[in-house]
Amino acid sequence: GQNIDQPTEMTATEGAIVQINCTYQTSGFNGLFWYQQHAGEAPTFLSYNVLDGLEEKGRFSSFLSRSKGYSYLLLKELQMKDSASYLCALNSGNTPLVFGKGTRLSVIA
Amino acid sequence: NAGVMQNPRHLVRRRGQEARLRCSPMKGHSHVYWYRQLPEEGLKFMVYLQKENIIDESGMPKERFSAEFPKEGPSILRIQQVVRGDSAAYFCASSPKRTGPNEKLFFGSGTQLSVL
Repeated sequence: GQNIDQPTEMTATEGAIVQINCTYQTSGFNGLFWYQQHAGEAPTFLSYNVLDGLEEKGRFSSFLSRSKGYSYLLLKELQMKDSASYLCALNSGNTPLVFGKGTRLSVIA
Repeated sequence: NAGVMQNPRHLVRRRGQEARLRCSPMKGHSHVYWYRQLPEEGLKFMVYLQKENIIDESGMPKERFSAEFPKEGPSILRIQQVVRGDSAAYFCASSPKRTGPNEKLFFGSGTQLSVL
């Protein structure tokens, strides 16, 4: 089976940088995804990591360490519209994506 | 291209009634996944279907719940004799082929089911 842990809530200031951590345990690993979900809306894809290291995409970056079962999502130059839930999800190969409970990020002025 | 379409957006049912949730995947996608999301909870996998086949229903309760994805038409998630505990947001997602390392899921906007 799989187990995914993320902080429940985080608060950060507009213009700052925030790091959202995700730790996982799994018997098989094919990739780790990050999704963004605004309240009442569909989750939307942000990034995926298959190999160790940092993947940068504009203001968002995602990091993976497979040996440590650890990933983080880094958001730079925070904007109010970044207030949302951020979902970490595991692809273990033979099963559909397994999601963590999500981290609710509040960006304040 | 239209995204994943779910309807209705909101559905209210009384206890004991049936709920039917519909999902049309993105054009060209033949794989459909249903997830349930409770407040303060993550997305919980329910069932994975391809056209006319259920591939994995390990997350779907054995009683009262069923799903289909016919050759023609949308995928349907059916909940019979609904109870208050069925109140949740139900999300459908699609992918062009089975989710692999580089495959991402495209989600619909969900159906919010409220059972009175």
